[in-house]
Formats: sequence, C-alpha cells, structure tokens
Amino acid sequence: AQSVTQLGSHVSVSEGALVLLRCNYSSSVPPYLFWYVQYPNQGLQLLLKYTSAATLVKGINGFEAEFKKSETSFHLTKPSAHMSDAAEYFCAVSDRVGGYNKLIFGAGTRLAVHP
Amino acid sequence: GAGVSQSPRYKVAKRGQDVALRCDPISGHVSLFWYQQALGQGPEFLTYFQNEAQLDKSGLPSDRFFAERPEGSVSTLKIQRTQQEDSAVYLCASSSVFGGASTHEQYFGPGTRLTVT
Repeated sequence: AQSVTQLGSHVSVSEGALVLLRCNYSSSVPPYLFWYVQYPNQGLQLLLKYTSAATLVKGINGFEAEFKKSETSFHLTKPSAHMSDAAEYFCAVSDRVGGYNKLIFGAGTRLAVHP
Repeated sequence: GAGVSQSPRYKVAKRGQDVALRCDPISGHVSLFWYQQALGQGPEFLTYFQNEAQLDKSGLPSDRFFAERPEGSVSTLKIQRTQQEDSAVYLCASSSVFGGASTHEQYFGPGTRLTVT
C-alpha cells in the first residue's frame, strides 16, 4: 500500500533563505507524486507533480522537487523564501490500484517565513 | 471560469443531527472525489465518482456516511447521526478526465468545516 511521510510538522525560515520540505514515500508500483499548498480557509492548490518523466520537476511560484528512487524521496525546495510562501504543504502519492487517482496525503508541513 | 465550490463553508451540528454537504464541481468534470481532513492532518480519501457512478466508497468511515451524484454533476455528502469524531473539513475535488489518467490534476474546493458539538 502507498504511504507518505513528511518529516517536520513545522518549518521556519527567514525571508530569502532556502526552503526544504521533506517527503518520503512508500509505493508498491512506480509512484506518481504531488505537492500541494493550502492557504488558510482555502482548498489545496497543486504546486507540482512527478509522473515518471524528468526526475527534477519545476512547479509554480519557484518551487521544485526532485524524485530520488534510491532514497524514496520527493523533497520540495525553493531557493529563496518569500513571505507569501507561508502556508501548509502536503506531499501526496497517487494510489493507482483502482485505475484512478486516489491521493494518499502526508500529514503536512506548516511553513513559517519570518522577516 | 468558476472553480469547485462547496456549501456551506461552515456547519455546526449538534451530536445526533443529520447534515448534508454540497459540492459543485467544475462544469464538465467527470471525476469527483471527497476527502476528509481532520485538524492538523492531511486529507484522507472518502469516496470517488466517475460521472454518476460511485466507483469507490472504501474510505467512508461508517454506514452513517453516504454520498451521491445523481446527475453526474453536483454531489452531496450526507452524514447521519453526527458524532464528535466527524468534526473535520470535508474537501471536494474534481478532475476533467476519467480516473485512469492518474497524471491529471484534481481541483479542490475550499472545503466545508463541520463542527459537531
């Protein structure tokens, strides 16, 4: 069965610093992996996705993630944090056993950005 | 164009009451998902519709939970005899393609926050 572990429920960085949010997955099939962002009182917005093409995936708002099969990881990075990046971030793996895109989410990481 | 909308945005129910949560997906989207997000947790899958057919209800936590999508567009999640453990945000998501296209994005609504007192 697929599962996702996000290391660190809270991450705090200074504005302009590197953002690194960690995600490890477990999957019995080649995984499809996603990062979503959730702002307060809003739904989830897709940042980026890995679907077995390039291992380095670029997303919106300057975020990117690298799929590393040997480490079963899909960490999210951004070179320089902006105040507007403060939000909750969820990593998800697609359970494709049923032939449809049932998402299995991690518990989330809350990112705080301070001046 | 409009995104996924959900109503009500907030619902307070007394324990034992029945509630109905509505989801309006993006027009033309054939796939519709419901997720439950408990406080401080990631969303958890509840059920999946392809048009009007409910193909997967494996995530529904009990037989008090019931979902329908009779005309393949609007969906309603109903919870009977609500319990305190039902307090959560209920998220709806839709996708433009059939379920087999796992690469395609799910568009999420803002959710309904249910509080059972």
